[in-house]
Amino acid sequence: NAGVMQNPRHLVRRRGQEARLRCSPMKGHSHVYWYRQLPEEGLKFMVYLQKENIIDESGMPKERFSAEFPKEGPSILRIQQVVRGDSAAYFCASSPLLLLGGANTEAFFGQGTRLTVV
Amino acid sequence: QQQVKQSPQSLIVQKGGISIINCAYENTAFDYFPWYQQFPGKGPALLIAIRPDVSEKKEGRFTISFNKSAKQFSLHIMDSQPGDSATYFCAASGTSGSRLTFGEGTQLTVNP
Repeated sequence: NAGVMQNPRHLVRRRGQEARLRCSPMKGHSHVYWYRQLPEEGLKFMVYLQKENIIDESGMPKERFSAEFPKEGPSILRIQQVVRGDSAAYFCASSPLLLLGGANTEAFFGQGTRLTVV
Repeated sequence: QQQVKQSPQSLIVQKGGISIINCAYENTAFDYFPWYQQFPGKGPALLIAIRPDVSEKKEGRFTISFNKSAKQFSLHIMDSQPGDSATYFCAASGTSGSRLTFGEGTQLTVNP
């Protein structure tokens, strides 16, 4: 049972280019979360998606950032017109359906994509 | 109200000693409190988690102590080993969704 798969592991982009980060959740998981980790800092929530739906995007910057989780294929985090401040590690996590009553279940993290903007 | 505060920022312990990391939260709606371990270049991995209906949970050398009234919880690593050297994050989430609010992290170094 493969874990959460993220690719690429490392991504270098020039300022103004677009970055596309991919995340394939664990088999059977229908919830995907994206987090950003700046150097020497904790992880900050960005967006929570289910298949074809954005559930919570309160952590996403208003401009240049978008995320999707289509019916088929991986979840994509897209950053347009990247700037140096976007350099960070981006982690995806997945979890199965919430238990009845809304109890939380374990979120499994991928290895991350380390984006460097030059 | 969504913050989780973690201390210390860094911790150095001798092999065989006890490592203690503390976290405090503000949001009383939080009801799930996991600890994650992260090695350099890797993603966070769940270490142990607790819900507020118990005050302590132990798994091997790792113990979470939870104080609901004080809104604090801590991780104790008994018999610390050099292989435990990593960054540890506490986190919290509520029933409105599984999004996690993370502490700032503690860089643990266990000297041989």
